[in-house]
Amino acid sequence: GNSVTQMEGPVTLSEEAFLTINCTYTATGYPSLFWYVQYPGEGLQLLLKATKADDKGSNKGFEATYRKETTSFHLEKGSVQVSDSAVYFCALSRSSASKIIFGSGTRLSIRP
Amino acid sequence: DAGITQSPRYKITETGRQVTLMCHQTWSHSYMFWYRQDLGHGLRLIYYSAAADITDKGEVPDGYVVSRSKTENFPLTLESATRSQTSVYFCASSESQTSGTSTDTQYFGPGTRLTVL
Repeated sequence: GNSVTQMEGPVTLSEEAFLTINCTYTATGYPSLFWYVQYPGEGLQLLLKATKADDKGSNKGFEATYRKETTSFHLEKGSVQVSDSAVYFCALSRSSASKIIFGSGTRLSIRP
Repeated sequence: DAGITQSPRYKITETGRQVTLMCHQTWSHSYMFWYRQDLGHGLRLIYYSAAADITDKGEVPDGYVVSRSKTENFPLTLESATRSQTSVYFCASSESQTSGTSTDTQYFGPGTRLTVL
């Protein structure tokens, strides 16, 4: 079946460090891929998405490229800030009415 | 205000009581969803609805009931609350669920933290 696997956290980095959060998926066909972010005490917000192979989603300095050959959608940011501290969820959506399948989330903490 | 809202934001109840969590969206989105978020499990889908009067089970539906008499509302009821239902509950909506389009993005409410004693 469809599934999403993302790296376990927590991940702790210093401000201005480079960030990578790995995400791989299992799905037939061509799912849409998402990264959602959850700030403390809030609901999930869409961070970025990609709908087909080789698409790059980007937002707020974060990027992720849809790699069908490696079934991956890794999240990257060149220089993280304290305000990026949150839980990040990788997710996929496959075919009509199939709902979104979420990974287990990766907690990111940025030290000043 | 436009968007998706949930009420109450916090609720404490006792085992065996009936509890209803409310969800309201102002976008006229067709699809609405209920998730629960627990440590170690991420988000798990409880129920979803494709339109008014159409609902379907998700991954963990046992102990929950939903209804959708109006497009904008999607209440979730715990008929007889149990301690295992202590969780944070999120409602979400989307315009459609056709993968590969701009309309399959889900928009989340702020959540309801439910504690069952």
